[in-house]
Amino acid sequence: EAGVTQFPSHSVIEKGQTVTLRCDPISGHDNLYWYRRVMGKEIKFLLHFVKESKQDESGMPNNRFLAERTGGTYSTLKVQPAELEDSGVYFCASKVSGGVQFFGPGTRLTVL
Amino acid sequence: GIQVEQSPPDLILQEGANSTLRCNFSDSVNNLQWFHQNPWGQLINLFYIPSGTKQNGRLSATTVATERYSLLYISSSQTTDSGVYFCAVVQGAQKLVFGQGTRLTINP
Repeated sequence: EAGVTQFPSHSVIEKGQTVTLRCDPISGHDNLYWYRRVMGKEIKFLLHFVKESKQDESGMPNNRFLAERTGGTYSTLKVQPAELEDSGVYFCASKVSGGVQFFGPGTRLTVL
Repeated sequence: GIQVEQSPPDLILQEGANSTLRCNFSDSVNNLQWFHQNPWGQLINLFYIPSGTKQNGRLSATTVATERYSLLYISSSQTTDSGVYFCAVVQGAQKLVFGQGTRLTINP
């Protein structure tokens, strides 16, 4: 069974540009989460989807971040426009209801 | 919200040594997980352990929920054990709240 996959693995962009990160959860996992780790700090929750619905988006830092999960399968996280402080590693995780979260390999975002 | 504190922040050991990593949390939790972030940045599930003790090879973990802490033991450390170890808890809502991690360096 394939694990959680994320694309790209690394993205380097200029301040003010737009970047879209993609997450493909484990097949059959209705729950999908986004987290990020910035500047060597702790990993922090961004938002949680159940199928295509946003269950909790309390961790989204501001309106420059937009997450979607059309059709309840893969999810995208768009940052527009990117700022220097957005640099970090963005993780996606998925799980079945009542199960354990499994994490993807992360996308390392560098904003110059 | 719930606070999660890990100690020590950094740990440097020689290959073959044993280590104990600690995770304290400020309130009762539904779930506790330990992760290893390897040098490539991947987060690897180690244990799901809201209470009790589990063992997997050279690694074991114990959570004492009533006293709000969990311990991760690594025996006979190998250089491949190096990386950052995270503890994360779930309280009520389904999101994980992470500690700041313990950076473990195993020297040959």
